[in-house]
Amino acid sequence: AQSVSQHNHHVILSEAASLELGCNYSYGGTVNLFWYVQYPGQHLQLLLKYFSGDPLVKGIKGFEAEFIKSKFSFNLRKPSVQWSDTAEYFCALTWTGANNLFFGTGTRLTVIP
Amino acid sequence: EAGVAQSPRYKIIEKRQSVAFWCNPISGHATLYWYQQILGQGPKLLIQFQNNGVVDDSQLPKDRFSAERLKGVDSTLKIQPAKLEDSAVYLCASSSYGGAEAFFGQGTRLTVV
Repeated sequence: AQSVSQHNHHVILSEAASLELGCNYSYGGTVNLFWYVQYPGQHLQLLLKYFSGDPLVKGIKGFEAEFIKSKFSFNLRKPSVQWSDTAEYFCALTWTGANNLFFGTGTRLTVIP
Repeated sequence: EAGVAQSPRYKIIEKRQSVAFWCNPISGHATLYWYQQILGQGPKLLIQFQNNGVVDDSQLPKDRFSAERLKGVDSTLKIQPAKLEDSAVYLCASSSYGGAEAFFGQGTRLTVV
């Protein structure tokens, strides 16, 4: 069975600090990986996705993520966070033959001005 | 482009009552999903439609939950009778046929008292 683990439940950073949010998954086959963000009071929106090719993917608002197959990881990074990055971040996957998303439990990011 | 529309935004009901949620996906999107997001957890798929046919409803508690998408456009999710543990945000999402990205609505927050 598939699973997605996000070990950081709540991360608090000061503005300009670097960010790395962990995401590990478990699935025996080929996966597609996603990071979604939910800003306060808003809907979930896609930050970035990985299907194949270059394992370093760049998304919107300066975010990037690296797929490391050997570690079953897809960590999200941003070199310098802003107050406006305060949100909940969800890692998710789909697998071959299924395009419904399987989500992790989410990480709440609070950025202090 | 208009996004995924959901109504109502909030609903409070007593246990054993019934409730219905409505979703209008992005125009032209063949695939529609309903997710349940319990506080502190990631969204969990309840049901997936492809046009007006059900693709996956394995996680839908069919003794109390039902969903339909009669004309392959908008959809209704119903709970009857509601239980306290049904308190959650119900998210609707849509994607184009074979599309990689799901677009989410703002959700309906249900509180069962």
